Amino acid sequence: DSGVTQTPKHLITATGQRVTLRCSPRSGDLSVYWYQQSLDQGLQFLIQYYNGEERAKGNILERFSAQQFPDLHSELNLSSLELGDSALYFCASSPSLRGRAFFGQGTRLTVV
Amino acid sequence: DAKTTQPPSMDCAEGRAANLPCNHSTISGNEYVYWYRQIHSQGPQYIIHGLKNNETNEMASLIITEDRKSSTLILPHATLRDTAVYYCIVRVGDDKIIFGKGTRLHILP
Repeated sequence: DSGVTQTPKHLITATGQRVTLRCSPRSGDLSVYWYQQSLDQGLQFLIQYYNGEERAKGNILERFSAQQFPDLHSELNLSSLELGDSALYFCASSPSLRGRAFFGQGTRLTVV
Repeated sequence: DAKTTQPPSMDCAEGRAANLPCNHSTISGNEYVYWYRQIHSQGPQYIIHGLKNNETNEMASLIITEDRKSSTLILPHATLRDTAVYYCIVRVGDDKIIFGKGTRLHILP
């Protein structure tokens, strides 16, 4: 158990809909990362937050947005969903900007 | 883009040492080498990291060449549970973590 909690574990929704994925980092971790992993694809970096501020952005679509709240949990919002958005979405946290990251077990999103 | 090159797949017999190579010829002086692994769609798991000295922990050893252009992750006694995709990542201390394609390690019984 990494200490990073992602909810829900599974999500099935229809095209065009909007969903919110939630990540609770390890206690005290200030940095949160989001990744997307499509079937048999690599881990694509989406976005990183540090202590509530956006720190780095990857290949995140405009239909996707994220934020980190004062209690340090983070949410990834996916809107106007398409079939191709079906993937595993991972959240990771680390105590600071440096050092190793701890990954959650992911949210499996299926768009039908 | 990932700054490392790894073989796409490797086999290793159970109980033997698994040696996973990684090339990072453009690594700069302040970039660390990190290794993570992902076991079948689970969240990636941190293994080890180093800057220039060799490192060892309870999971593995990391050997970094003197010119720091390549490294080897060593799993001393591989078991079936070590079957996974292994990712070698170079990263400045506070940089984002970018995964490449990794090496798919098959442990053979």
